[in-house]
Amino acid sequence: GESVGLHLPTLSVQEGDNSIINCAYSNSASDYFIWYKQESGKGPQFIIDIRSNMDKRQGQRVTVLLNKTVKHLSLQIAATQPGDSAVYFCAERIPASWGKFQFGAGTQVVVTP
Amino acid sequence: ETGVTQTPRHLVMGMTNKKSLKCEQHLGHNAMYWYKQSAKKPLELMFVYNFKEQTENNSVPSRFSPECPNSSHLFLHLHTLQPEDSALYLCASSLGDHTGSYNEQFFGPGTRLTVL
Repeated sequence: GESVGLHLPTLSVQEGDNSIINCAYSNSASDYFIWYKQESGKGPQFIIDIRSNMDKRQGQRVTVLLNKTVKHLSLQIAATQPGDSAVYFCAERIPASWGKFQFGAGTQVVVTP
Repeated sequence: ETGVTQTPRHLVMGMTNKKSLKCEQHLGHNAMYWYKQSAKKPLELMFVYNFKEQTENNSVPSRFSPECPNSSHLFLHLHTLQPEDSALYLCASSLGDHTGSYNEQFFGPGTRLTVL
């Protein structure tokens, strides 16, 4: 999962395995969520999004699952590759706002050969 | 490349200096954002501009002054900063506000700012 503070949670995964990154969001009324990937020295890169009227959405090698009952979001990466090594963080849109998102601190994913 | 560029990529300044960060988006978007990213902390929203109008100032100190001359350009003017302002400053853009819209934000590479 994600936490705010000095130490990012780290997920170490072997190349070729599947990765699951978790995020607990704060507001049950949040209606839109985004997963971002941030590589060292770069800005965040959009991976996939999901609206609150959906439970699951799939992209290329990635799947996002939304469990509104427990306010939990997960990102699954299939067949993890070395290029997937990065910090991944979720963002929830603040209810009754338009462009305001609350971001998690992120999870560091390290892919080992 | 995301279509959002930022200059400079690195900036070192003293507390008495005045400098500006520049952001430009080539995506045809109408909304632009400034974020601050400190080490191991979540992104902090600073300012939002929607169709050139500032719609959000997230309690940012007045030593940070944004400017949005048009929908493609965004500036952050800096003066009399403090060492704790050292961080990565990210610019983002998205489609403008439309009722019921879901607009993902596209980020630039950031400016790494160090205040001495």
